[in-house]
This record gives sequence, structure tokens and C-alpha cells, in this order.
Amino acid sequence: DAGVIQSPRHEVTEMGQEVTLRCKPISGHDYLFWYRQTMMRGLELLIYFNNNVPIDDSGMPEDRFSAKMPNASFSTLKIQPSEPRDSAVYFCASSFAGGGPYNEQFFGPGTRLTVL
Amino acid sequence: AQTVTQSQPEMSVQEAETVTLSCTYDTSESDYYLFWYKQPPSRQMILVIRQEAYKQQNATENRFSVNFQKAAKSFSLKISDSQLGDAAMYFCAWGPTGNQFYFGTGTSLTVIP
Repeated sequence: DAGVIQSPRHEVTEMGQEVTLRCKPISGHDYLFWYRQTMMRGLELLIYFNNNVPIDDSGMPEDRFSAKMPNASFSTLKIQPSEPRDSAVYFCASSFAGGGPYNEQFFGPGTRLTVL
Repeated sequence: AQTVTQSQPEMSVQEAETVTLSCTYDTSESDYYLFWYKQPPSRQMILVIRQEAYKQQNATENRFSVNFQKAAKSFSLKISDSQLGDAAMYFCAWGPTGNQFYFGTGTSLTVIP
């Protein structure tokens, strides 16, 4: 299995531009998570899906952030318009509720976003 | 509220020595899971070890072991015979039976040759 795939790995954009981050979870996994990592706040859960349905988006910082999961193999996190304070590493992770007792989350390599 | 606290922002250890990273958590749940993740400079989050709360026996994975004290809500990670490749950021995480994880702020471990 290729693991969780995220694209792009690096994104540099200017303030005000729209940014779209993409994630392909591990095949068969039914949970998908979006995290943001910064030095100041550490690792924050933004939103998570179960069977493509958003379950908890209370971590999404503002209306500028939106996430979708149109099918079991693809999710996007969109920031529109982007601001310099959105600069961070964004991780996608997936897990399988029926995969055993641990529900281990498997992380993608992350997308480093820089907003100038 | 569910919280995970890692009180040591930075730690260092001499190569081949042993180091312990601390983690405490706060929950009213009785059944849950605890994890330690490692994040090397490559940024990839790697699961190091996991523990089921209902198991009294401490988990062990080669040189990595935990000291789980449920009553004290403490979950420390011990790394024995430290190696240069162990240098990384280590995150403690707590999760109820289900899905959402709560992560600590991390401990940066330096291994001194």
C-alpha cells in the first residue's frame, strides 16, 4: 500500500490567493483527518470525516477554511482567501475503525504551506 | 475537556543511554488508547508504540517501552540504548474507542554522539 498521499508537498502562494490541499487516504480506511501543525499551536485537528461525512469541524479556524470528501479515496482542504498566518504544515491522516482495537491513524507526509 | 500535556519541550540524551519522556492526560473516559508518535526531520509522523487503557501490562516495542499509570493518568515513554536515529519530535496522543485523537505539544529529543 502506498500509504496516505498528499499533494502538493510544498505550496508557496501570495496572500489572498486560493489554496487547495489534496489527500488520498489508504484504501479501505473509513476515517479521514486533517491536521495543522505550527510551532505556536502544535498539532491541531481541523476536521474529520467518517465514511465521507464530516463529523466534527469545530477545529476549522475560520470560514475561509473548507474541506470536502466527495468519495472514499479523495479529500480536499481549501483556504480562500489565504493569509500569512495560515502558513503551516497540513497533515492528512486516515484510519480504519474495524481494523483492530487501536484505530491507529496513518499520516501522510504533509504539505508545507507558505503564504507570503 | 480532553487534554494531553507534555511538560518537557526539549530533552537530550547521550547515545546508548536511556531517556524518559513524560506525558499526562485528562479524561473522564474509562476505555481509551494511548500512543506515542515520532516525527523526524522528514516530517513524517510514525507510530512508535501504543497502549490500551484496560491493559495493565506496559507495552514494549524493542527499545521503546511505556510506563502507564492509569490512576495518575500518566503515560511516559522510555527509550533505551538511544541511537542517533531516535532524534526527533515525539508526540503523545490520547484517543477514545473510536477515532479522534488528542495530541500533546511534543518533546524535541536530541541524541548526543
